[in-house]
Amino acid sequence: GIQVEQSPPDLILQEGANSTLRCNFSDSVNNLQWFHQNPWGQLINLFYIPSGTKQNGRLSATTVATERYSLLYISSSQTTDSGVYFCAGGYSTLTFGKGTMLLVSP
Amino acid sequence: GAVVSQHPSWVICKSGTSVKIECRSLDFQATTMFWYRQFPKQSLMLMATSNEGSKATYEQGVEKDKFLINHASLTLSTLTVTSAHPEDSSFYICSATSGGASGNQWGDEQFFGPGTRLTVL
Repeated sequence: GIQVEQSPPDLILQEGANSTLRCNFSDSVNNLQWFHQNPWGQLINLFYIPSGTKQNGRLSATTVATERYSLLYISSSQTTDSGVYFCAGGYSTLTFGKGTMLLVSP
Repeated sequence: GAVVSQHPSWVICKSGTSVKIECRSLDFQATTMFWYRQFPKQSLMLMATSNEGSKATYEQGVEKDKFLINHASLTLSTLTVTSAHPEDSSFYICSATSGGASGNQWGDEQFFGPGTRLTVL
């Protein structure tokens, strides 16, 4: 099956800083999603991005399908951005990475 | 749009009992629903894929007789944990996709329910 590698595993930022999270895939995928898991466990859909670039407020994502990686950019981070970020990809099913634990301090 | 609900949000049961978890797509028809489990501080692991009206496809290592999945309609899937034991305690999450059916804008994007925390005593 597809292997998904996320980096970094942990990230600590000061409020206002920018960050980049990365996801590498062992094989090509036709479905790629980024999520934020809130403290109650709910997965919040951030981006559905099998290819190209998308932006939503302070967040943006880029997927380079030919090189099998995706990047999630968080600009001007806020304490409410803290939590676990997952990427997941696949074809008919999604394989999740191990996540990046982000802590934004005031 | 694209809201998925789960019920119950948490359940505590005695060892040996069965527990049913419901997953509903509230504002779209879900051609496919998925069931995941997540242990503390770990990632999500896919358990099974279910399509409306057909038998679920289980991932390797998941006991189909223990985790019964029914996808009776395009908006409802259920997961029944039979004869639950303490090692089955986990966070169970469902997701749903319309697969682009009926021309909606979501394509293959999966939308997740809020999860069910199961504790088996």
